Amino acid sequence: GAVVSQHPSWVICKSGTSVKIECRSLDFQATTMFWYRQFPKQSLMLMATSNEGSKATYEQGVEKDKFLINHASLTLSTLTVTSAHPEDSSFYICSARVDRETEAFFGQGTRLTVV
Amino acid sequence: GQNIDQPTEMTATEGAIVQINCTYQTSGFNGLFWYQQHAGEAPTFLSYNVLDGLEEKGRFSSFLSRSKGYSYLLLKELQMKDSASYLCAFMDSNYQLIWGAGTKLIIKP
Repeated sequence: GAVVSQHPSWVICKSGTSVKIECRSLDFQATTMFWYRQFPKQSLMLMATSNEGSKATYEQGVEKDKFLINHASLTLSTLTVTSAHPEDSSFYICSARVDRETEAFFGQGTRLTVV
Repeated sequence: GQNIDQPTEMTATEGAIVQINCTYQTSGFNGLFWYQQHAGEAPTFLSYNVLDGLEEKGRFSSFLSRSKGYSYLLLKELQMKDSASYLCAFMDSNYQLIWGAGTKLIIKP
Protein backbone atom coordinates (compact mmCIF):
# COMPACT_ATOMS: atom_id res chain seq x y z
CA GLY A 1 0.00 0.00 0.00
CA ALA A 2 0.91 3.66 -0.17
CA VAL A 3 3.14 5.16 2.50
CA VAL A 4 2.31 8.16 4.63
CA SER A 5 5.06 9.43 6.90
CA GLN A 6 4.26 11.49 9.96
CA HIS A 7 6.86 13.30 12.02
CA PRO A 8 7.61 13.44 14.87
CA SER A 9 6.35 10.19 16.39
CA TRP A 10 6.22 11.71 19.82
CA VAL A 11 6.89 15.13 21.31
CA ILE A 12 6.88 16.66 24.75
CA CYS A 13 6.49 20.41 24.97
CA LYS A 14 5.96 23.04 27.62
CA SER A 15 2.60 24.65 28.11
CA GLY A 16 2.27 27.79 26.01
CA THR A 17 4.63 26.73 23.25
CA SER A 18 3.75 25.65 19.71
CA VAL A 19 4.33 22.30 18.08
CA LYS A 20 4.40 21.48 14.37
CA ILE A 21 3.54 18.03 13.04
CA GLU A 22 4.33 17.04 9.46
CA CYS A 23 2.49 14.57 7.27
CA ARG A 24 4.01 13.45 3.99
CA SER A 25 2.75 11.10 1.31
CA LEU A 26 5.93 9.43 0.14
CA ASP A 27 4.94 7.59 -3.02
CA PHE A 28 1.73 9.24 -4.17
CA GLN A 29 0.18 12.66 -4.54
CA ALA A 30 -2.51 13.31 -1.99
CA THR A 31 -5.27 15.64 -3.09
CA THR A 32 -6.82 15.43 0.37
CA MET A 33 -5.31 15.02 3.80
CA PHE A 34 -7.17 14.52 7.05
CA TRP A 35 -6.12 15.31 10.60
CA TYR A 36 -7.52 13.29 13.48
CA ARG A 37 -7.17 13.35 17.23
CA GLN A 38 -7.62 10.25 19.32
CA PHE A 39 -7.86 10.14 23.09
CA PRO A 40 -7.10 6.90 24.93
CA LYS A 41 -9.61 4.13 24.30
CA GLN A 42 -11.69 6.37 22.05
CA SER A 43 -12.28 6.41 18.33
CA LEU A 44 -10.80 8.75 15.79
CA MET A 45 -12.13 12.27 15.90
CA LEU A 46 -11.81 14.20 12.67
CA MET A 47 -10.36 17.66 13.25
CA ALA A 48 -10.07 19.00 9.74
CA THR A 49 -9.87 18.16 6.08
CA SER A 50 -7.35 19.89 3.89
CA ASN A 51 -7.13 20.02 0.13
CA GLU A 52 -3.94 21.07 -1.58
CA GLY A 53 -3.82 24.78 -2.23
CA SER A 54 -6.96 25.70 -0.32
CA LYS A 55 -7.93 26.46 3.25
CA ALA A 56 -8.66 23.57 5.55
CA THR A 57 -12.22 22.74 6.52
CA TYR A 58 -12.50 22.39 10.27
CA GLU A 59 -15.00 20.25 12.12
CA GLN A 60 -17.37 21.87 14.56
CA GLY A 61 -15.74 22.59 17.88
CA VAL A 62 -12.18 22.60 16.54
CA GLU A 63 -10.50 25.99 16.89
CA LYS A 64 -8.90 26.91 13.57
CA ASP A 65 -6.71 29.58 15.20
CA LYS A 66 -5.32 27.04 17.62
CA PHE A 67 -4.83 24.16 15.19
CA LEU A 68 -3.23 25.66 12.11
CA ILE A 69 -3.24 23.45 9.04
CA ASN A 70 -1.22 24.06 5.93
CA HIS A 71 -1.41 21.89 2.82
CA ALA A 72 1.13 23.60 0.62
CA SER A 73 1.82 20.75 -1.77
CA LEU A 74 0.35 17.45 -2.92
CA THR A 75 2.74 15.56 -0.66
CA LEU A 76 2.90 17.65 2.52
CA SER A 77 0.48 18.90 5.12
CA THR A 78 1.36 20.35 8.50
CA LEU A 79 -0.59 20.75 11.72
CA THR A 80 0.63 23.34 14.20
CA VAL A 81 -0.76 23.26 17.70
CA THR A 82 -0.36 26.82 18.95
CA SER A 83 -0.09 27.82 22.59
CA ALA A 84 -0.40 24.20 23.64
CA HIS A 85 -2.01 23.31 26.95
CA PRO A 86 -2.06 20.02 28.87
CA GLU A 87 -5.57 19.27 27.60
CA ASP A 88 -4.15 19.23 24.06
CA SER A 89 -2.16 16.15 24.99
CA SER A 90 -3.40 13.43 22.64
CA PHE A 91 -2.54 11.13 19.75
CA TYR A 92 -2.67 13.09 16.49
CA ILE A 93 -2.95 11.11 13.26
CA CYS A 94 -2.95 12.24 9.66
CA SER A 95 -4.25 10.35 6.67
CA ALA A 96 -4.04 10.98 2.96
CA ARG A 97 -5.79 9.77 -0.14
CA VAL A 98 -5.20 10.15 -3.85
CA ASP A 99 -8.77 11.00 -4.71
CA ARG A 100 -12.14 10.81 -3.10
CA GLU A 101 -12.93 7.30 -4.33
CA THR A 102 -9.91 5.57 -2.84
CA GLU A 103 -8.98 4.45 0.62
CA ALA A 104 -7.10 6.71 2.97
CA PHE A 105 -3.67 5.73 4.27
CA PHE A 106 -2.58 6.73 7.72
CA GLY A 107 0.63 8.15 9.08
CA GLN A 108 2.20 6.58 12.16
CA GLY A 109 0.66 9.14 14.48
CA THR A 110 2.21 11.69 16.84
CA ARG A 111 1.84 11.38 20.57
CA LEU A 112 1.83 14.91 22.00
CA THR A 113 2.36 15.48 25.70
CA VAL A 114 2.09 19.02 27.01
CA VAL A 115 3.62 19.57 30.44
CA GLY B 1 -29.06 11.68 9.92
CA GLN B 2 -25.98 9.56 9.86
CA ASN B 3 -24.81 7.01 12.36
CA ILE B 4 -22.66 3.94 12.55
CA ASP B 5 -22.56 1.28 15.21
CA GLN B 6 -20.31 -1.63 16.11
CA PRO B 7 -19.83 -3.66 19.30
CA THR B 8 -17.46 -2.19 21.85
CA GLU B 9 -15.57 -5.36 22.64
CA MET B 10 -15.41 -9.01 21.62
CA THR B 11 -13.44 -11.98 22.86
CA ALA B 12 -12.38 -15.01 20.82
CA THR B 13 -10.04 -17.96 21.06
CA GLU B 14 -6.82 -18.43 19.14
CA GLY B 15 -7.44 -20.52 16.02
CA ALA B 16 -11.16 -19.78 15.96
CA ILE B 17 -13.30 -17.56 13.73
CA VAL B 18 -14.85 -14.25 14.75
CA GLN B 19 -17.31 -11.96 12.99
CA ILE B 20 -17.40 -8.25 13.82
CA ASN B 21 -20.61 -6.55 12.74
CA CYS B 22 -21.14 -2.96 11.71
CA THR B 23 -24.45 -1.27 11.00
CA TYR B 24 -24.92 2.17 9.55
CA GLN B 25 -27.52 4.67 8.46
CA THR B 26 -26.93 7.31 5.83
CA SER B 27 -28.72 8.87 2.90
CA GLY B 28 -25.62 8.88 0.71
CA PHE B 29 -23.18 6.00 0.53
CA ASN B 30 -19.91 5.56 -1.31
CA GLY B 31 -18.44 2.47 0.27
CA LEU B 32 -17.48 0.96 3.58
CA PHE B 33 -13.99 0.49 4.99
CA TRP B 34 -12.48 -1.69 7.67
CA TYR B 35 -9.27 -0.72 9.45
CA GLN B 36 -7.20 -2.46 12.09
CA GLN B 37 -5.60 -0.45 14.88
CA HIS B 38 -3.18 -1.86 17.41
CA ALA B 39 -2.88 -0.02 20.70
CA GLY B 40 -0.76 3.09 20.39
CA GLU B 41 -0.52 2.84 16.62
CA ALA B 42 -2.31 4.40 13.66
CA PRO B 43 -5.00 2.45 11.77
CA THR B 44 -4.05 0.26 8.83
CA PHE B 45 -6.35 -0.41 5.90
CA LEU B 46 -7.96 -3.86 5.69
CA SER B 47 -10.78 -3.73 3.17
CA TYR B 48 -13.15 -1.64 1.09
CA ASN B 49 -16.61 -2.73 -0.07
CA VAL B 50 -18.77 -0.64 -2.34
CA LEU B 51 -20.90 -3.42 -3.88
CA ASP B 52 -22.95 -6.05 -2.07
CA GLY B 53 -21.26 -9.32 -1.33
CA LEU B 54 -18.24 -10.90 0.23
CA GLU B 55 -14.66 -9.83 -0.44
CA GLU B 56 -12.04 -12.33 0.68
CA LYS B 57 -8.44 -11.40 1.39
CA GLY B 58 -6.47 -14.16 3.04
CA ARG B 59 -7.67 -14.79 6.58
CA PHE B 60 -9.84 -11.69 6.48
CA SER B 61 -13.14 -11.29 4.63
CA SER B 62 -15.55 -8.38 4.53
CA PHE B 63 -19.22 -8.45 3.63
CA LEU B 64 -21.60 -5.67 2.67
CA SER B 65 -25.36 -5.42 2.29
CA ARG B 66 -26.30 -1.92 1.20
CA SER B 67 -30.05 -2.51 1.48
CA LYS B 68 -29.65 -3.54 5.12
CA GLY B 69 -26.99 -0.98 6.02
CA TYR B 70 -24.86 -3.83 7.30
CA SER B 71 -21.31 -5.04 7.03
CA TYR B 72 -19.17 -7.55 8.82
CA LEU B 73 -15.50 -8.37 9.05
CA LEU B 74 -14.72 -12.07 9.34
CA LEU B 75 -11.41 -13.16 10.77
CA LYS B 76 -10.41 -16.82 10.41
CA GLU B 77 -7.67 -18.86 12.08
CA LEU B 78 -7.25 -16.20 14.71
CA GLN B 79 -3.75 -15.42 15.89
CA MET B 80 -2.68 -13.58 19.01
CA LYS B 81 -1.41 -10.72 16.85
CA ASP B 82 -5.00 -10.13 15.69
CA SER B 83 -5.73 -8.62 19.10
CA ALA B 84 -6.52 -5.03 18.14
CA SER B 85 -9.34 -2.60 17.60
CA TYR B 86 -11.24 -2.90 14.34
CA LEU B 87 -12.78 0.26 12.96
CA CYS B 88 -15.51 0.39 10.36
CA ALA B 89 -16.21 3.59 8.47
CA PHE B 90 -18.52 4.49 5.62
CA MET B 91 -17.97 7.16 3.03
CA ASP B 92 -20.92 9.50 2.71
CA SER B 93 -22.24 11.40 -0.30
CA ASN B 94 -19.57 14.06 0.18
CA TYR B 95 -16.88 11.36 0.22
CA GLN B 96 -16.19 12.02 3.88
CA LEU B 97 -15.41 9.10 6.17
CA ILE B 98 -17.78 8.56 9.09
CA TRP B 99 -16.10 6.38 11.70
CA GLY B 100 -17.48 3.84 14.12
CA ALA B 101 -16.13 3.82 17.67
CA GLY B 102 -14.18 0.63 17.02
CA THR B 103 -14.45 -2.94 18.32
CA LYS B 104 -11.73 -4.10 20.65
CA LEU B 105 -10.98 -7.73 19.86
CA ILE B 106 -9.34 -9.79 22.60
CA ILE B 107 -7.79 -13.10 21.59
CA LYS B 108 -7.30 -15.72 24.28
CA PRO B 109 -4.97 -18.73 24.00
